[in-house]
Parts: sequence; structure tokens; C-alpha cells
Amino acid sequence: GDSVTQMEGPVTLSEEAFLTINCTYTATGYPSLFWYVQYPGEGLQLLLKATKADDKGSNKGFEATYRKETTSFHLEKGSVQVSDSAVYFCALNTLGAGSYQLTFGKGTKLSVIP
Amino acid sequence: NAGVTQTPKFQVLKTGQSMTLQCAQDMNHEYMSWYRQDPGMGLRLIHYSVGAGITDQGEVPNGYNVSRSTTEDFPLRLLSAAPSQTSVYFCASSYGPAKEKLFFGSGTQLSVL
Repeated sequence: GDSVTQMEGPVTLSEEAFLTINCTYTATGYPSLFWYVQYPGEGLQLLLKATKADDKGSNKGFEATYRKETTSFHLEKGSVQVSDSAVYFCALNTLGAGSYQLTFGKGTKLSVIP
Repeated sequence: NAGVTQTPKFQVLKTGQSMTLQCAQDMNHEYMSWYRQDPGMGLRLIHYSVGAGITDQGEVPNGYNVSRSTTEDFPLRLLSAAPSQTSVYFCASSYGPAKEKLFFGSGTQLSVL
């Protein structure tokens, strides 16, 4: 079945460091790909998305490119801040445009220290 | 802007008790869903609804019931709570299929003793 694999955390970085969180997927058809972020004590929020191969999603300095050839959607940020400390979830929409289900990865906890 | 509102925020139950987790949204979204979040497991879909009067099962529906009598409300019922249902529960809504943006509530932390 469809699945998402994220790098295991936790990840601890110093402020202004470069961030990469790896995400690979297995899916039939042509899924849409997402990164959601969960700040402490809150629900998830959409961070960025890409709906077709080679699309780049970006928001708040974060970027991810939909790579069909490597089935990947790695999240990157050039300079992290303490306020980026959160849990990041990679997700995909299965079964094409009509599906109502998101398949999530297990999440990667990021801690940024001053 | 209220968005998606979940109540209660915390709940402790004894095995065998029943309860209802409430979820309401004020964005006129057709699609609503319930997920559970467990450590190391990510989020898993329990039930979802594509409109008033229409519900369907997700990945882990056993032990849970839902109904959708109005567009705004989508309650989740635990009929006979079990320790395996200890989890954090999130309600989410969107305008349409999951390829659109999901709006999440702030969650309900449930412990079953």
C-alpha cells in the first residue's frame, strides 16, 4: 500500500544552521505531497505542498521539491530559528484527486537551540 | 476566526466507559475527519465525512462511531473505551479532497485506564 517514510528524529540544530528532513514515499498513481508542522500543544498546520512532479512548494523559508524519479520530497531551510522548533510531518494524498485520505509519516521532531 | 474547535482538551476514562469527542467548524467545509496520533505512528485516519449524512471508515475505525447530521459538527463516539484507545485525537476539515489544505483542531488528549 501507499506509505511515507521520514528520517527519524529528534533533530537538534543550532540557530542559523541548515535543515534537511528526508521524506520518501511509495504510492500508486500520482499523489500530491505535503509537509505539515505541529507546534507544541497545537494541531497540525499545512506548511507547503506540491501537486505534480518537479513542483517546488515553499513557505516561511522552507522548501521541498517533488522528485518523481527518486520518490522523494525532502524539506529544507537555509537558516533555522528557535521558532521553527516543532514536529514536521510528510504526507501524501493517495488514490488521486478524489481521495479524502492523507497518509502521514511518523513525524520528525526538530529542536533549535540559540 | 474560530476554525476547527474540539472539546474537551483532556479526558480520562475508565475501561468500558463511553464518551463523545466534539468537533465543530465554522468554515462551511464539506469534508471532516478524525485522526488519532500515537507516538512513533504518525497520524492515522479513523473516520471521515464528505458531507452531512455521509460518513465512511478510515484506516482504524474499530471501536469508534461517527455521525454527521449538520455541516458544522462531526462528533466521535467511543462506545466502550479500551486502554488501546489512549491517544491524542485530532479533528480536521477542508473544502474538498485531501489534496486541498486540511485545517486541524488543537486536539483532545484521551487516557483510558
